[in-house]
Amino acid sequence: QVHLVESGGGVVQPGGSLRLSCAASGFTFSGYGMNWVRQTPGQGLEWVAFIRYDGMIEDYADSVKGRFSISRDNSKNTLFLHMSSLRPEDTGVYYCAKGLHYYDSTFNWFDSWGQGSLVTVSS
Amino acid sequence: DIPLTQSPSFLSASVGDSVTITCRASQGIRWHLAWYQQKPGQAPKLLIYAASSLQSGVPSRFSGSGSGTEFTLTISGLQPEDFATYYCQQLNPYPFFGGGTQVEIK
Repeated sequence: QVHLVESGGGVVQPGGSLRLSCAASGFTFSGYGMNWVRQTPGQGLEWVAFIRYDGMIEDYADSVKGRFSISRDNSKNTLFLHMSSLRPEDTGVYYCAKGLHYYDSTFNWFDSWGQGSLVTVSS
Repeated sequence: DIPLTQSPSFLSASVGDSVTITCRASQGIRWHLAWYQQKPGQAPKLLIYAASSLQSGVPSRFSGSGSGTEFTLTISGLQPEDFATYYCQQLNPYPFFGGGTQVEIK
């Protein structure tokens, strides 16, 4: 059974940095693209970033491009989101989400989600 | 992004009713649309992908249809556990979600 557990959220001041982690189990992590999706009061559900199964392709929403970086460690079945230059509008619950299809090189449906990690950007 | 417009935003229905939610794209997205269900305090759950494919484990009372710019999610015979918020999502050129439809008990 797929299990995704996010950690690393918290309260950070505007301009600060934070790193989220997502521990994956129950599936062949190295075979699936992974994503971060956030849910904010202002924008609802918003896709944030994607990384291909091998880590060789990344893509980002315009709202976070240049500030956020997605990475993965397939040897440890872990996904990361490095967030910097954080803004109040980045406040929300951040979910890691698994792509539906095996070895797919591009965007895919999100068939499994973690429970979410709350990030609050406030002074 | 290709904006998605869901309607209605709010829907009140009774157990046993059949309900339909519509999602419209501002331009054609072929069949690249999914539907998710989200309950309070929980992550979204994939129900339908590729417009009409039922995700494994999802009850058959959920069905999706459409292509191009207009899509529908139908729940045939609402159950108590179906009262939730439903979102559509497209993949072209990036993953993008609709604003949601809240289904509440009448």
